[in-house]
Amino acid sequence: AQSVSQHNHHVILSEAASLELGCNYSYGGTVNLFWYVQYPGQHLQLLLKYFSGDPLVKGIKGFEAEFIKSKFSFNLRKPSVQWSDTAEYFCAVNETGGSYIPTFGRGTSLIVHP
Amino acid sequence: SAVISQKPSRDICQRGTSLTIQCQVDSQVTMMFWYRQQPGQSLTLIATANQGSEATYESGFVIDKFPISRPNLTFSTLTVSNMSPEDSSIYLCSVEGAASDPSTDTQYFGPGTRLTVL
Repeated sequence: AQSVSQHNHHVILSEAASLELGCNYSYGGTVNLFWYVQYPGQHLQLLLKYFSGDPLVKGIKGFEAEFIKSKFSFNLRKPSVQWSDTAEYFCAVNETGGSYIPTFGRGTSLIVHP
Repeated sequence: SAVISQKPSRDICQRGTSLTIQCQVDSQVTMMFWYRQQPGQSLTLIATANQGSEATYESGFVIDKFPISRPNLTFSTLTVSNMSPEDSSIYLCSVEGAASDPSTDTQYFGPGTRLTVL
């Protein structure tokens, strides 16, 4: 069975600081990887996803994530955060060609101080 | 992305009662999913709902507690029966794919229903 670990449960940053949120998964096969974001009072939205090809994926709002297969990791990054990035971030994984239902990590709460 | 709406957006209910949550999608979809997001926890899949067949429940969830209907390709309901405070959670409806992203490997979510059971 798959599992997804997000090691940072709470992150507090000041505006303009750089962000990296860790995500590791356990599964021996080929996977699709996702980052979702949930802004306060809003619904869960897809931030970016990786299916194949360039392991560096660019998403909306200046976010990017890098898939490192050897490390089973898919860390989310942003070079300079803004107050509006305050949100809950979820990493998720599903099997390529298998069950399309994703397994989610516990989420990371990001607070950005102005 | 697909427009997914849920009703109610929130509710406060008494122990022992039941609440039915509605999910409406603006396009026809084969698969609809119901998730639970408990405070401080990740999303947990409750069941997968196909039109015209019984829902498929994940381990730990049963039809008597969470009956689901799927009368057509744009609508589903989830009922939380005989509620207890432990059922306090956010309940989310999701679908695969969207008009802007028809890939069936990606799920899109509704706004959720925040349920508090006293």
